[in-house]
Amino acid sequence: RKEVEQDPGPFNVPEGATVAFNCTYSNSASQSFFWYRQDCRKEPKLLMSVYSSGNEDGRFTAQLNRASQYISLLIRDSKLSDSATYLCVVLRGGSYIPTFGRGTSLIVHP
Amino acid sequence: ETGVTQTPRHLVMGMTNKKSLKCEQHLGHNAMYWYKQSAKKPLELMFVYSLEERVENNSVPSRFSPECPNSSHLFLHLHTLQPEDSALYLCASSQDRGGRNTEAFFGQGTRLTVV
Repeated sequence: RKEVEQDPGPFNVPEGATVAFNCTYSNSASQSFFWYRQDCRKEPKLLMSVYSSGNEDGRFTAQLNRASQYISLLIRDSKLSDSATYLCVVLRGGSYIPTFGRGTSLIVHP
Repeated sequence: ETGVTQTPRHLVMGMTNKKSLKCEQHLGHNAMYWYKQSAKKPLELMFVYSLEERVENNSVPSRFSPECPNSSHLFLHLHTLQPEDSALYLCASSQDRGGRNTEAFFGQGTRLTVV
């Protein structure tokens, strides 16, 4: 089983839609989780950290389910500019080294 | 001044050339990383340095040789590369301790083409 798994998509949604991505991780000792966004031919950029209690930043909501070992990202009211690849990142248990999922591609169309 | 700076942004090199990629971080981090991203593939972790010591080498061929002279600088020395080494090479940095504020920040990458 891979350390971090994501559905590669693509998710093709109209503007204004709500879309959710899940990511599962294999190491139950993992403590820190993040979502990154990567635009085509650019570097990944931090979108948001994922906290145990869940957290929200504008249209974006991240949640953690430790029992089932997955994190999620919810995007409400999708914009064209949200089109990108969303990377799930998990710090290995007891470590600071980030492990990346393969990313989920989102395409928002008019 | 950006947090993590990589040079050059683009590099074309022949298979017999020797070149180096440079990364510099201004974030006060003490861990630095090299990742490789080939077209339509996920990020592959190549090397990890913590406090200037290499702590991870993920079965990377010896034609890639990293160097970390201090906690702010990281190099990737390249020699006798193969065309399949063409990819985006990304440098990142972070703090080497768990808890909050451990997110990694990336440079803009070097797009390498081996001809």
